[in-house]
Amino acid sequence: AAGVIQSPRHLIKEKRETATLKCYPIPRHDTVYWYQQGPGQDPQFLISFYEKMQSDKGSIPDRFSAQQFSDYHSELNMSSLELGDSALYFCASSLEGDTNIQYFGAGTRLSVL
Amino acid sequence: GENVEQHPSTLSVQEGDSAVIKCTYSDSASNYFPWYKQELGKRPQLIIDIRSNVGEKKDQRIAVTLNKTAKHFSLHITETQPEDSAVYFCAAAGVMYSGGGADGLTFGKGTHLIIQP
Repeated sequence: AAGVIQSPRHLIKEKRETATLKCYPIPRHDTVYWYQQGPGQDPQFLISFYEKMQSDKGSIPDRFSAQQFSDYHSELNMSSLELGDSALYFCASSLEGDTNIQYFGAGTRLSVL
Repeated sequence: GENVEQHPSTLSVQEGDSAVIKCTYSDSASNYFPWYKQELGKRPQLIIDIRSNVGEKKDQRIAVTLNKTAKHFSLHITETQPEDSAVYFCAAAGVMYSGGGADGLTFGKGTHLIIQP
């Protein structure tokens, strides 16, 4: 069965640079979520989109923005990167009105040097 | 916002014994409580979930109980095996089943489960 696809899997950036992470949800899923997980920590919810509209907002910094496109894929844009942004970034998707179970992608490991 | 407390942070049990992990939540509007298993560097994987209209759910060696009044839910793993060793996260969210999507999950801090051979 198709899963959530994230790209790239690994990303190395310098401080103050920008980064774009991509997420392709499971086919037919209409909701996408972004989470940030620091080393040894729990995943922290950043933001979600339902039918291309922002549906919930968590602890997303102002330096980050995200959107969901017409094909339901989503991108997380991160600017003015800081050392503390180094983390695993997970995307999850769900089908609204069905079970709303969130299925996670394999994640993007971002290292800011 | 929602706050989820999870205990214990580390749990070591003998292979074949049972393991119990407990969570409490603060927001009475939360109605969906999943449990995820995560191995080092891997994605969280759903192992079981429960919704607020159900008090207990079981899937083979895994069971979850929910007490809405006390805002408390627990994971029970019986006959533990070495492959059960991982970090387990409980989570809570509000879900609207008639449209409008679902909230992002609020996770507990995680329990590192160690199965001793």
